Amino acid sequence: NAGVTQTPKFQVLKTGQSMTLQCAQDMNHEYMSWYRQDPGMGLRLIHYSVGAGITDQGEVPNGYNVSRSTTEDFPLRLLSAAPSQTSVYFCASRGPGGYEQYFGPGTRLTVT
Amino acid sequence: RKEVEQDPGPFNVPEGATVAFNCTYSNSASQSFFWYRQDCRKEPKLLMSVYSSGNEDGRFTAQLNRASQYISLLIRDSKLSDSATYLCAAGGSGNTGKLIFGQGTTLQVKP
Repeated sequence: NAGVTQTPKFQVLKTGQSMTLQCAQDMNHEYMSWYRQDPGMGLRLIHYSVGAGITDQGEVPNGYNVSRSTTEDFPLRLLSAAPSQTSVYFCASRGPGGYEQYFGPGTRLTVT
Repeated sequence: RKEVEQDPGPFNVPEGATVAFNCTYSNSASQSFFWYRQDCRKEPKLLMSVYSSGNEDGRFTAQLNRASQYISLLIRDSKLSDSATYLCAAGGSGNTGKLIFGQGTTLQVKP
């Protein structure tokens, strides 16, 4: 069991570039989420999914898109990167009725 | 205003001290509550779930007060290894898997 994996670990983008942060889990979890973490702000929910084909917005969804075509994968797309999107991004998954949410190791993104 | 709020600290305590963190939540429909621990530059990991009846795990005690909409974490006999950031989280109504986190409280235990 690899748990929750994220790629890449580090990324530097220029303003206006687009990219996809990858997230996969091998625990057959229904629930998956994306968070960003900035100093003093804790974890803020960007988007989440309750199953394949179903996604919803979290606290800070603007500038990000998600899709969930399979149970395993939940990619996060930055459409046009901005310096305000410089952050650490965590993907997480959780089983139905399960309380523990498992996090991936994070992607550190810098937008210049 | 964030849906879940914590005092960010930092809390600086000597080894052996007892320290308490509080966290308030605004969504009265929240049904599940948790404390996570995060070490520097690592992913958060579940410390303990919080139940209405309160729960204890060794030196750690978590409590939920639904009337006042806050949860608490008590750490007794602090160890150097307890130094970390502690994040509280509240689940949404129903079983959506949605989990909202507070800002995190930083604890530094000193010898």
